[in-house]
Amino acid sequence: GENVEQHPSTLSVQEGDSAVIKCTYSDSASNYFPWYKQELGKRPQLIIDIRSNVGEKKDQRIAVTLNKTAKHFSLHITETQPEDSAVYFCAAMIRSNDYKLSFGAGTTVTVRA
Amino acid sequence: DTAVSQTPKYLVTQMGNDKSIKCEQNLGHDTMYWYKQDSKKFLKIMFSYNNKELIINETVPNRFSPKSPDKAHLNLHINSLELGDSAVYFCASRQVAWTSGRAGTGELFFGEGSRLTVL
Repeated sequence: GENVEQHPSTLSVQEGDSAVIKCTYSDSASNYFPWYKQELGKRPQLIIDIRSNVGEKKDQRIAVTLNKTAKHFSLHITETQPEDSAVYFCAAMIRSNDYKLSFGAGTTVTVRA
Repeated sequence: DTAVSQTPKYLVTQMGNDKSIKCEQNLGHDTMYWYKQDSKKFLKIMFSYNNKELIINETVPNRFSPKSPDKAHLNLHINSLELGDSAVYFCASRQVAWTSGRAGTGELFFGEGSRLTVL
């Protein structure tokens, strides 16, 4: 099955700075890479995803990049705000009609005011 | 309208007891999941059902028994609870199969979680 590694496990940034979280995956057949955000005491929710036919996707202050050759993908948050403080999970799936979404271990992001 | 709802939200019980968590989704999805999130926040998949059929069983002790009476419901029963079962259990659903000429988006919708504490 797919194995997803996520770094760093914790990240502290000053408000207004950027945050970058990196993930690597093992199965080159993976073609779908979502990112989930989990605020304290809440459920994980999808914030952005990317498929293997594109290299980058952006949605306001968040962006995801994918390097298929190196088998890694990253989440970039610019102009961080206190409400960006949460646990972020990357995930990978072999194909969109597969059943198993393999999650990384999560990154706890703290935005300092 | 709550898309994925699970009950109860909190469960405190003694070791050795049996407990159940219920989950329902009104999104019309064909696949449902149970995930366990321990104190280290890792989201570990336990089970997945597709149209009431067990698809994934991730080496979970057989004290855990999922049941899917229909594709909108997935319940989890746990026998002989142990201290290590304390965690937040999340139900989730997604559309896997092609419908209306399109593949499922892949997005996983989570319930609010059920925090189980075993004393």
